[in-house]
Amino acid sequence: GESVGLHLPTLSVQEGDNSIINCAYSNSASDYFIWYKQESGKGPQFIIDIRSNMDKRQGQRVTVLLNKTVKHLSLQIAATQPGDSAVYFCAEPVNSGYSTLTFGKGTMLLVSP
Amino acid sequence: KAGVTQTPRYLIKTRGQQVTLSCSPISGHRSVSWYQQTPGQGLQFLFEYFSETQRNKGNFPGRFSGRQFSNSRSEMNVSTLELGDSALYLCASSFSVAGELFFGEGSRLTVL
Repeated sequence: GESVGLHLPTLSVQEGDNSIINCAYSNSASDYFIWYKQESGKGPQFIIDIRSNMDKRQGQRVTVLLNKTVKHLSLQIAATQPGDSAVYFCAEPVNSGYSTLTFGKGTMLLVSP
Repeated sequence: KAGVTQTPRYLIKTRGQQVTLSCSPISGHRSVSWYQQTPGQGLQFLFEYFSETQRNKGNFPGRFSGRQFSNSRSEMNVSTLELGDSALYLCASSFSVAGELFFGEGSRLTVL
């Protein structure tokens, strides 16, 4: 039969707004998390990572927050630009090898000029 | 520095055929991983190679196989193609097994 497509959560914002993308994880032992951005027709691109001994990490216009109590991650993008339009994934290593990752379902961010 | 290169970018096959996809990692990277991306299942790990050895394998049937050559280039093969194998196949490389992953643009396979 026909497979059901993923219904990606979509966040629509205006240019200049701040965006917050959320991700829940299930493994309380997870100690490393990564956010990826995937633009249409391209492979995922590393944005920022965070280890479990941190609650917050900042990059250029991006901040990742980690709440271990409720097993929740968020990616905040400041002053969102049309070029930020993409699908955003959180990911965590499956084991000690960080090249084996489990990806979340993704959130589509649409930025209107 | 050139990024991860995947060939072919697009291909169409029919059910029952087999396909080989190629990945050239970033120069100096010795770890190569493969992922399958579909609308239904999202991004799923296929396998990981380091120094020509398969380190990890995802939960895919034996029709999916791969290998890595001494120059770190990698290939993956899917035999006896099924409609459900239609997907974007992504290759990623890293300097080591614990390094940041750099993804290629993928090979989009359509099975008719």
